[in-house]
Amino acid sequence: AQTVTQSQPEMSVQEAETVTLSCTYDTSESDYYLFWYKQPPSRQMILVIRQEAYKQQNATENRFSVNFQKAAKSFSLKISDSQLGDAAMYFCAYRSGGETSGSRLTFGEGTQLTVNP
Amino acid sequence: DVKVTQSSRYLVKRTGEKVFLECVQDMDHENMFWYRQDPGLGLRLIYFSYDVKMKEKGDIPEGYSVSREKKERFSLILESASTNQTSMYLCASRSGGVGYEQYFGPGTRLTVT
Repeated sequence: AQTVTQSQPEMSVQEAETVTLSCTYDTSESDYYLFWYKQPPSRQMILVIRQEAYKQQNATENRFSVNFQKAAKSFSLKISDSQLGDAAMYFCAYRSGGETSGSRLTFGEGTQLTVNP
Repeated sequence: DVKVTQSSRYLVKRTGEKVFLECVQDMDHENMFWYRQDPGLGLRLIYFSYDVKMKEKGDIPEGYSVSREKKERFSLILESASTNQTSMYLCASRSGGVGYEQYFGPGTRLTVT
């Protein structure tokens, strides 16, 4: 079974600075997807960024980028130019590549990010 | 825009009550999911459904059941609520096919006293 681990329960960053959230995973599969989801306080969970395992290039979405190290099974999220609206719980998630079991997600424990003005 | 709605944001029930949590999605998604979110544990999958009347157990199905009579609606049932089921419950849906993401509802915070 796949597992996802986020070793940082809480992180903080100053507004306009850069922060990196860590995630490691364990799998024996070669085809899979990795995700970062954001859950703002009292608001719905939304997808931040997605990485396909077969792609060597790291995914980027505006101020959000990932460092995907497949051999090390590491998938960190970098937030540049942090904004107050980035304050949220961030979850790392794994999904198998095939269309099996509804393509269920396996989540990490979450990292609570605080952005200080 | 995909919309996933849940019947209640907050719910307080007594031990032993039968509890229904409803989830509705408006995008004709085949797959629907129920997760439980607890501090320090992340989200854990309770049940999911890949078609009407079809369901599969997730990682923590004990004490829960589900119903999917219509494609857009997926219900989570606590047959006899217990205090250890106090939690945040999140519903999600997803279109079939590789590459589609899950969309989440706002969550129901259930307190069992």
